[in-house]
Amino acid sequence: EAQVTQNPRYLITVTGKKLTVTCSQNMNHEYMSWYRQDPGLGLRQIYYSMNVEVTDKGDVPEGYKVSRKEKRNFPLILESPSPNQTSLYFCASSLSPGGNYGYTFGSGTRLTVV
Amino acid sequence: KQEVTQIPAALSVPEGENLVLNCSFTDSAIYNLQWFRQDPGKGLTSLLLIQSSQREQTSGRLNASLDKSSGRSTLYIAASQPGDSATYLCAVVHGSSNTGKLIFGQGTTLQVKP
Repeated sequence: EAQVTQNPRYLITVTGKKLTVTCSQNMNHEYMSWYRQDPGLGLRQIYYSMNVEVTDKGDVPEGYKVSRKEKRNFPLILESPSPNQTSLYFCASSLSPGGNYGYTFGSGTRLTVV
Repeated sequence: KQEVTQIPAALSVPEGENLVLNCSFTDSAIYNLQWFRQDPGKGLTSLLLIQSSQREQTSGRLNASLDKSSGRSTLYIAASQPGDSATYLCAVVHGSSNTGKLIFGQGTTLQVKP
């Protein structure tokens, strides 16, 4: 089944403890992206990647890092999480950004930082 | 700056009713428009993708239309069912975007009463 898989689904952590949220897609998509969803603010792009080893900042990149060493994987790294990073996170992928192709989203990761 | 608005924010209808959800965007230069469904605390499920050159797409009881010149899209749901209860989001990729960023509306939360 074609899908985007995120792990973990739920995570509670403490301030300052490094964590990684994994994202993997099995559709050979070139483009991958991370979003966070917050009440009243909607979905905002954190980082995106056009292809392997090509990543760039979205609208709200502060406090996050990403890497794209393989086409299928696009982990989101929080090196020193803070309570304001408590949110619902989504990974998305597309064969190509814009154009004729839509986006497939993962099931989300609900992160709580205490 | 591209902005996406969805009206109404919430909608409650009796089962069996046909309904229309509205999405408007401020800049007609878009690559495509995608409608998603989100169940509470869950991921985004793609419903329909309309490319910029298309006027409508259909899937089962769902029909989405696109009028770029007026900056509007509608999602028509026929014969609504309680299982249709969810939040519906529309999103566009701006035509001048080199980030592939999806710009989302705030969503319409639909409740279908048995």
